[in-house]
Amino acid sequence: AQSVAQPEDQVNVAEGNPLTVKCTYSVSGNPYLFWYVQYPNRGLQFLLKYITGDNLVKGSYGFEAEFNKSQTSFHLKKPSALVSDSALYFCAVRDRIYNQGGKLIFGQGTELSVKP
Amino acid sequence: DGGITQSPKYLFRKEGQNVTLSCEQNLNHDAMYWYRQDPGQGLRLIYYSQIVNDFQKGDIAEGYSVSREKKESFPLTVTSAQKNPTAFYLCASSTSGLAGSYNEQFFGPGTRLTVL
Repeated sequence: AQSVAQPEDQVNVAEGNPLTVKCTYSVSGNPYLFWYVQYPNRGLQFLLKYITGDNLVKGSYGFEAEFNKSQTSFHLKKPSALVSDSALYFCAVRDRIYNQGGKLIFGQGTELSVKP
Repeated sequence: DGGITQSPKYLFRKEGQNVTLSCEQNLNHDAMYWYRQDPGQGLRLIYYSQIVNDFQKGDIAEGYSVSREKKESFPLTVTSAQKNPTAFYLCASSTSGLAGSYNEQFFGPGTRLTVL
């Protein structure tokens, strides 16, 4: 069965410090991996995705994520956090072959709080 | 502007009523999806459609119904059979819902449904 785990419900970071939001996944085949961000009472915004190739993926707003196949992880990172990065972050996975209709499996979300 | 629109933004339902949530996209996407979001549970797939006049149940389809008569539109009806409908509902679309597709999903702004 496919699944995604975000082990931290909340991450607190001081502005200017690096941030990491963790994600691990489980799929039967090879994964496509995605990160989304959600601001209060809004829809999800796409940040970045891993398809193939370079394990370090760069995305919107200075975010990047590193795919680690041996650890089945896809952690989201940013070198210097901004207060405006405070939001709810979702990791999602799709098995390349064994999926229904392009179905995404989402983690439960991690609330990022960046304090001045 | 290209994108996904959902209406209404807020919806109140009385016990025993059916209500319909609207989702429209002008992105020319083939695949459309409905998710339900509850605090701390991430997003759960209700229904999805890979092509016009076809749709499939997701993980939590009981008490919901959909139609896909036009490519641009994928309305969701929350029926009286859904015992706990209070939630935030998100519609999404993607260029393709085929197995192997790595395209990201684009999300609408959401509808917050409250049962009175």
